[in-house]
Amino acid sequence: SAVISQKPSRDICQRGTSLTIQCQVDSQVTMMFWYRQQPGQSLTLIATANQGSEATYESGFVIDKFPISRPNLTFSTLTVSNMSPEDSSIYLCSVVQGDSYEQYFGPGTRLTVT
Amino acid sequence: AQKVTQAQTEISVVEKEDVTLDCVYETRDTTYYLFWYKQPPSGELVFLIRRNSFDEQNEISGRYSWNFQKSTSSFNFTITASQVVDSAVYFCALSDYTDKLIFGTGTRLQVFP
Repeated sequence: SAVISQKPSRDICQRGTSLTIQCQVDSQVTMMFWYRQQPGQSLTLIATANQGSEATYESGFVIDKFPISRPNLTFSTLTVSNMSPEDSSIYLCSVVQGDSYEQYFGPGTRLTVT
Repeated sequence: AQKVTQAQTEISVVEKEDVTLDCVYETRDTTYYLFWYKQPPSGELVFLIRRNSFDEQNEISGRYSWNFQKSTSSFNFTITASQVVDSAVYFCALSDYTDKLIFGTGTRLQVFP
Protein backbone atom coordinates (compact mmCIF):
# COMPACT_ATOMS: atom_id res chain seq x y z
CA SER A 1 0.00 0.00 0.00
CA ALA A 2 0.98 3.63 -0.46
CA VAL A 3 3.00 5.26 2.31
CA ILE A 4 1.38 8.50 3.42
CA SER A 5 2.91 11.14 5.65
CA GLN A 6 1.37 14.23 7.17
CA LYS A 7 2.97 17.31 8.65
CA PRO A 8 2.66 18.46 11.33
CA SER A 9 1.57 15.47 13.39
CA ARG A 10 0.08 17.78 15.97
CA ASP A 11 -0.13 21.46 16.76
CA ILE A 12 -1.60 23.86 19.26
CA CYS A 13 -2.75 27.10 17.68
CA GLN A 14 -4.30 30.30 18.84
CA ARG A 15 -7.76 31.43 17.85
CA GLY A 16 -7.81 33.51 14.68
CA THR A 17 -4.66 32.06 13.15
CA SER A 18 -4.30 29.61 10.24
CA LEU A 19 -2.51 26.28 9.91
CA THR A 20 -1.48 24.48 6.75
CA ILE A 21 -1.32 20.69 6.85
CA GLN A 22 0.71 18.78 4.30
CA CYS A 23 0.01 15.33 2.92
CA GLN A 24 2.71 13.49 0.96
CA VAL A 25 2.35 10.12 -0.76
CA ASP A 26 5.25 7.96 -1.92
CA SER A 27 3.59 7.10 -5.24
CA GLN A 28 1.25 8.77 -7.69
CA VAL A 29 -2.42 8.41 -6.82
CA THR A 30 -5.52 9.53 -8.63
CA MET A 31 -7.81 10.35 -5.73
CA MET A 32 -6.94 12.28 -2.58
CA PHE A 33 -9.37 13.33 0.11
CA TRP A 34 -9.36 15.33 3.32
CA TYR A 35 -11.41 14.20 6.34
CA ARG A 36 -12.05 15.63 9.77
CA GLN A 37 -12.55 13.67 12.97
CA GLN A 38 -13.86 15.76 15.82
CA PRO A 39 -13.10 14.56 19.36
CA GLY A 40 -14.79 11.25 20.06
CA GLN A 41 -16.62 11.32 16.74
CA SER A 42 -16.55 9.57 13.41
CA LEU A 43 -14.90 10.85 10.25
CA THR A 44 -16.49 13.40 7.95
CA LEU A 45 -15.34 14.18 4.44
CA ILE A 46 -14.25 17.78 3.94
CA ALA A 47 -13.35 17.76 0.26
CA THR A 48 -11.86 15.96 -2.70
CA ALA A 49 -8.45 17.35 -3.61
CA ASN A 50 -8.36 17.60 -7.40
CA GLN A 51 -5.01 17.73 -9.12
CA GLY A 52 -4.50 21.00 -10.93
CA SER A 53 -7.95 22.39 -10.23
CA GLU A 54 -10.13 23.61 -7.39
CA ALA A 55 -11.11 21.15 -4.71
CA THR A 56 -14.68 19.82 -4.49
CA TYR A 57 -16.19 20.59 -1.10
CA GLU A 58 -18.86 18.69 0.78
CA SER A 59 -21.90 20.35 2.25
CA GLY A 60 -20.97 22.41 5.28
CA PHE A 61 -17.38 23.06 4.20
CA VAL A 62 -16.26 26.08 2.20
CA ILE A 63 -13.11 27.05 0.38
CA ASP A 64 -12.56 30.25 2.39
CA LYS A 65 -12.35 28.24 5.60
CA PHE A 66 -10.54 25.15 4.24
CA PRO A 67 -8.51 26.07 1.16
CA ILE A 68 -6.93 23.03 -0.44
CA SER A 69 -4.18 22.71 -2.99
CA ARG A 70 -3.02 19.72 -4.99
CA PRO A 71 -0.21 20.70 -7.33
CA ASN A 72 0.65 17.14 -8.39
CA LEU A 73 -0.32 13.49 -7.96
CA THR A 74 1.64 12.94 -4.74
CA PHE A 75 1.08 16.05 -2.63
CA SER A 76 -1.76 18.09 -1.16
CA THR A 77 -2.25 20.73 1.50
CA LEU A 78 -5.23 21.67 3.63
CA THR A 79 -5.33 25.02 5.39
CA VAL A 80 -7.59 25.61 8.35
CA SER A 81 -8.20 29.36 8.32
CA ASN A 82 -9.21 31.79 11.03
CA MET A 83 -9.35 29.00 13.55
CA SER A 84 -11.72 28.73 16.47
CA PRO A 85 -11.84 26.13 19.27
CA GLU A 86 -14.53 24.28 17.27
CA ASP A 87 -11.86 23.46 14.69
CA SER A 88 -10.02 21.31 17.22
CA SER A 89 -10.00 17.93 15.48
CA ILE A 90 -7.87 15.34 13.82
CA TYR A 91 -7.44 16.08 10.13
CA LEU A 92 -6.63 13.14 7.89
CA CYS A 93 -5.78 12.82 4.24
CA SER A 94 -6.58 9.67 2.33
CA VAL A 95 -5.59 8.25 -1.03
CA VAL A 96 -7.11 5.65 -3.29
CA GLN A 97 -4.77 2.96 -4.53
CA GLY A 98 -5.13 2.90 -8.31
CA ASP A 99 -5.17 -0.83 -8.95
CA SER A 100 -7.12 -2.10 -5.95
CA TYR A 101 -9.23 0.99 -5.17
CA GLU A 102 -8.44 0.45 -1.52
CA GLN A 103 -8.42 3.71 0.42
CA TYR A 104 -5.62 4.41 2.86
CA PHE A 105 -5.29 7.14 5.43
CA GLY A 106 -2.40 9.25 6.59
CA PRO A 107 -1.46 9.27 10.28
CA GLY A 108 -3.50 12.42 10.88
CA THR A 109 -2.79 15.89 12.25
CA ARG A 110 -4.12 16.51 15.72
CA LEU A 111 -5.07 20.18 15.99
CA THR A 112 -5.94 21.97 19.20
CA VAL A 113 -7.16 25.56 19.04
CA THR A 114 -7.00 27.63 22.21
CA ALA B 1 -29.00 9.13 0.59
CA GLN B 2 -26.27 6.87 1.80
CA LYS B 3 -26.04 5.94 5.44
CA VAL B 4 -24.08 3.55 7.65
CA THR B 5 -25.34 2.43 11.04
CA GLN B 6 -23.20 0.82 13.70
CA ALA B 7 -25.67 0.30 16.51
CA GLN B 8 -23.14 -1.06 18.97
CA THR B 9 -21.43 1.87 20.62
CA GLU B 10 -19.15 -0.16 22.83
CA ILE B 11 -18.46 -3.87 23.31
CA SER B 12 -16.41 -5.45 26.07
CA VAL B 13 -15.15 -9.01 25.90
CA VAL B 14 -12.59 -11.16 27.64
CA GLU B 15 -9.61 -12.40 25.70
CA LYS B 16 -10.24 -15.46 23.52
CA GLU B 17 -13.92 -14.71 23.14
CA ASP B 18 -15.35 -14.30 19.66
CA VAL B 19 -16.97 -10.95 18.92
CA THR B 20 -19.10 -9.67 16.04
CA LEU B 21 -19.36 -6.02 15.10
CA ASP B 22 -22.53 -5.11 13.23
CA CYS B 23 -22.80 -2.78 10.24
CA VAL B 24 -25.99 -1.93 8.39
CA TYR B 25 -25.95 0.32 5.35
CA GLU B 26 -28.42 2.19 3.18
CA THR B 27 -27.93 3.09 -0.46
CA ARG B 28 -29.94 3.30 -3.66
CA ASP B 29 -26.94 2.47 -5.82
CA THR B 30 -26.60 -0.97 -7.34
CA THR B 31 -22.82 -0.66 -7.36
CA TYR B 32 -21.23 0.30 -4.07
CA TYR B 33 -18.30 -0.57 -1.85
CA LEU B 34 -18.06 -1.44 1.82
CA PHE B 35 -15.06 -0.97 4.07
CA TRP B 36 -13.89 -1.71 7.58
CA TYR B 37 -11.19 0.30 9.36
CA LYS B 38 -9.52 -0.11 12.73
CA GLN B 39 -8.48 2.89 14.82
CA PRO B 40 -6.29 1.82 17.74
CA PRO B 41 -5.55 4.17 20.65
CA SER B 42 -2.60 5.56 18.67
CA GLY B 43 -5.15 7.20 16.37
CA GLU B 44 -4.11 5.92 12.96
CA LEU B 45 -6.80 4.53 10.72
CA VAL B 46 -5.90 1.05 9.53
CA PHE B 47 -7.51 -0.38 6.40
CA LEU B 48 -8.94 -3.85 6.92
CA ILE B 49 -11.10 -4.69 3.91
CA ARG B 50 -12.92 -3.37 0.85
CA ARG B 51 -15.78 -5.33 -0.67
CA ASN B 52 -17.83 -4.50 -3.75
CA SER B 53 -21.55 -5.02 -3.94
CA PHE B 54 -21.32 -7.79 -6.51
CA ASP B 55 -19.14 -9.98 -4.36
CA GLU B 56 -21.19 -11.55 -1.60
CA GLN B 57 -18.66 -14.20 -0.79
CA ASN B 58 -17.59 -14.14 2.83
CA GLU B 59 -13.99 -13.20 3.50
CA ILE B 60 -11.61 -14.65 6.05
CA SER B 61 -8.21 -13.24 6.95
CA GLY B 62 -6.59 -14.92 9.90
CA ARG B 63 -8.77 -14.28 12.96
CA TYR B 64 -10.89 -11.79 11.04
CA SER B 65 -13.93 -12.64 8.95
CA TRP B 66 -16.60 -10.63 7.21
CA ASN B 67 -20.18 -11.58 6.40
CA PHE B 68 -21.78 -9.58 3.59
CA GLN B 69 -25.55 -10.05 3.15
CA LYS B 70 -27.25 -7.85 0.58
CA SER B 71 -30.67 -9.17 1.62
CA THR B 72 -30.31 -7.50 5.01
CA SER B 73 -27.93 -4.70 3.88
CA SER B 74 -25.36 -5.82 6.41
CA PHE B 75 -21.61 -6.21 6.39
CA ASN B 76 -20.68 -7.68 9.76
CA PHE B 77 -17.17 -8.19 11.08
CA THR B 78 -16.19 -11.05 13.38
CA ILE B 79 -12.99 -11.39 15.37
CA THR B 80 -12.30 -14.94 16.49
CA ALA B 81 -10.36 -15.60 19.68
CA SER B 82 -10.02 -11.90 20.47
CA GLN B 83 -6.78 -10.50 21.87
CA VAL B 84 -5.97 -7.40 23.89
CA VAL B 85 -4.32 -5.90 20.79
CA ASP B 86 -7.73 -5.96 19.09
CA SER B 87 -8.89 -3.19 21.42
CA ALA B 88 -9.73 -0.26 19.17
CA VAL B 89 -12.55 1.66 17.55
CA TYR B 90 -13.79 -0.06 14.41
CA PHE B 91 -15.46 1.89 11.64
CA CYS B 92 -17.63 0.57 8.84
CA ALA B 93 -17.85 2.78 5.73
CA LEU B 94 -19.67 2.92 2.41
CA SER B 95 -18.75 4.50 -0.90
CA ASP B 96 -19.99 4.72 -4.46
CA TYR B 97 -18.04 5.23 -7.70
CA THR B 98 -16.71 8.58 -6.39
CA ASP B 99 -14.70 6.81 -3.65
CA LYS B 100 -16.03 9.27 -1.06
CA LEU B 101 -16.44 7.41 2.21
CA ILE B 102 -19.49 7.66 4.43
CA PHE B 103 -18.56 6.40 7.88
CA GLY B 104 -20.61 4.83 10.60
CA THR B 105 -20.28 6.15 14.14
CA GLY B 106 -17.87 3.41 15.10
CA THR B 107 -17.84 0.62 17.68
CA ARG B 108 -15.36 0.71 20.53
CA LEU B 109 -14.10 -2.77 21.31
CA GLN B 110 -12.38 -3.42 24.61
CA VAL B 111 -10.71 -6.77 25.09
CA PHE B 112 -9.77 -7.53 28.67
CA PRO B 113 -7.06 -10.03 29.63
